[in-house]
Amino acid sequence: GAGVSQSPRYKVAKRGQDVALRCDPISGHVSLFWYQQALGQGPEFLTYFQNEAQLDKSGLPSDRFFAERPEGSVSTLKIQRTQQEDSAVYLCASSLTLGGRSSYEQYFGPGTRLTVT
Amino acid sequence: GENVEQHPSTLSVQEGDSAVIKCTYSDSASNYFPWYKQELGKGPQLIIDIRSNVGEKKDQRIAVTLNKTAKHFSLHITETQPEDSAVYFCAASGAGWGKLQFGAGTQVVVTP
Repeated sequence: GAGVSQSPRYKVAKRGQDVALRCDPISGHVSLFWYQQALGQGPEFLTYFQNEAQLDKSGLPSDRFFAERPEGSVSTLKIQRTQQEDSAVYLCASSLTLGGRSSYEQYFGPGTRLTVT
Repeated sequence: GENVEQHPSTLSVQEGDSAVIKCTYSDSASNYFPWYKQELGKGPQLIIDIRSNVGEKKDQRIAVTLNKTAKHFSLHITETQPEDSAVYFCAASGAGWGKLQFGAGTQVVVTP
């Protein structure tokens, strides 16, 4: 019964570098969410996948942020040309599905702490 | 869009006392309200949730109440223990894909 896993747990990038953050959702979970958590704040929604389809990317802060989930399981969040303001914890959450009584529970991974220097 | 406000930002209680955290939301279409506990260096852990067709839900020492008319919901922790010390977040989700709007968090400190 593995939970959501994320890698790497910590990432230090020089400003201008590209980074890729990985999320392995709970097996069988259809829905996958990415959130960004700044220090001392609550998580902020970035993007949502249902299987391989990216249905909502309204929270992505700029076109430097890109997410994919090509086979409907593992997801990658990519940030191009990182800036200091991108420093945050990036959280991934998965949910069984949508539409049923027990469909809304989102289970979070441990996050990836990104520091841009 | 949805806006969730959470109070207080910090809460210090003696072990054995009760703790109450309150949240308000703005979108009347919101219908799902989870609470998460986040310990240092870890991801948020779902501890209890409530849906809009229910007014109260309990699970051992924790309970959540929802007032749809006033658009506020609260977390109650009874008989607090040192291991309850953490940051607690409320959240709300409305119609659509289930994305959560979080409050700013409450740092709870339980002193022995």
